[in-house]
Amino acid sequence: DAGVIQSPRHEVTEMGQEVTLRCKPISGHNSLFWYRQTMMRGLELLIYFNNNVPIDDSGMPEDRFSAKMPNASFSTLKIQPSEPRDSAVYFCASSLILREAFFGQGTRLTVV
Amino acid sequence: GDSVTQMEGPVTLSEEAFLTINCTYTATGYPSLFWYVQYPGEGLQLLLKATKADDKGSNKGFEATYRKETTSFHLEKGSVQVSDSAVYFCALSDRGTGANNLFFGTGTRLTVIP
Repeated sequence: DAGVIQSPRHEVTEMGQEVTLRCKPISGHNSLFWYRQTMMRGLELLIYFNNNVPIDDSGMPEDRFSAKMPNASFSTLKIQPSEPRDSAVYFCASSLILREAFFGQGTRLTVV
Repeated sequence: GDSVTQMEGPVTLSEEAFLTINCTYTATGYPSLFWYVQYPGEGLQLLLKATKADDKGSNKGFEATYRKETTSFHLEKGSVQVSDSAVYFCALSDRGTGANNLFFGTGTRLTVIP
């Protein structure tokens, strides 16, 4: 298996623009996580899905952030409008429920 | 609620030194415990895991024992190498809550110097 695939690997955008991050989980996994990593705040869980259903989105910073999982093989994290403080590395991870998670390589987002 | 506390870094060691990174947890159910490692510019990788009390996880010379009596899962390695320089995260998944959340510690940066 190719592992968790995230795209793009790097994204630079201007403040106010919409940003969409994409994730393809490992085939057969039924849980998907979105994390954000910054120097100041470390690794933060934004949202996770079980069987394509959002279970806990309490980590989503505000209404500008939204995440979807339309099917078992694809998820998106959208920021609209983006702000400079959203600059971070965003990780997607997948797992079988209650098993260890496997992480993608991350998307480094820079909002200028 | 569930949480993980790990020792603050950074940690700097000489090659072949002994490593300990402390991790303690709080859980309401029956947690599985994990150590993940993050090398520069990469995502997190599972290093080792333990799913029940007294289990020992091991990989690449690293070990950690699930101690329920002290709610700890300390990471150890007898002789570190320069290539072990990375950030290490302790994590918990609590089966007893019925949820599937993964709780991570803040990470400990390890630098090994020749």
